[in-house]
Amino acid sequence: GQNIDQPTEMTATEGAIVQINCTYQTSGFNGLFWYQQHAGEAPTFLSYNVLDGLEEKGRFSSFLSRSKGYSYLLLKELQMKDSASYLCAVMDSNYQLIWGAGTKLIIKP
Amino acid sequence: IAGITQAPTSQILAAGRRMTLRCTQDMRHNAMYWYRQDLGLGLRLIHYSNTAGTTGKGEVPDGYSVSRANTDDFPLTLASAVPSQTSVYFCASSESDRGPTEAFFGQGTRLTVV
Repeated sequence: GQNIDQPTEMTATEGAIVQINCTYQTSGFNGLFWYQQHAGEAPTFLSYNVLDGLEEKGRFSSFLSRSKGYSYLLLKELQMKDSASYLCAVMDSNYQLIWGAGTKLIIKP
Repeated sequence: IAGITQAPTSQILAAGRRMTLRCTQDMRHNAMYWYRQDLGLGLRLIHYSNTAGTTGKGEVPDGYSVSRANTDDFPLTLASAVPSQTSVYFCASSESDRGPTEAFFGQGTRLTVV
């Protein structure tokens, strides 16, 4: 079966760095996405990785290792507005997105 | 403002009733999707459409139907609602069903079946 695993909840301090991990087992691989979802709102796109390595975009970076079936989202200089759920999704061989349950990130002052 | 719009925002529905959730996008995207999001579970695909005139079944299609008469609209119909269909429903669109194209989501419809 297809499976995406992420921690259910994480807590971090304002100004700090946090890493949210995602492991996956899917039928084929056509890229991995990270989305941010604030409570009661729609998911919004953060990043896409299809090749191994680190993609940096401002305070957010995303890493992929296809051989390990592993990705992480790195958030630096955390701000209170970063409190949200972070969703990992893998596009499988049929170009369907398989979604993880999401990681709720709580930022404390 | 360009984007994707869902209606209604929320609805309480009696079991057994028929309901259509509306979704409209003005970005001329080819691909559109309907997901449901339940606590503790990832987004689950109900139905999708790769282009106007075609639809396909996702992971959890039972009890739902869709149509794609044109590029902009992708309504989702519950023929006879049941309590297990209580969920938040998101419509999404992307330029293509292939490759690294991000999906844009509507604001969601919170449906409660009683």
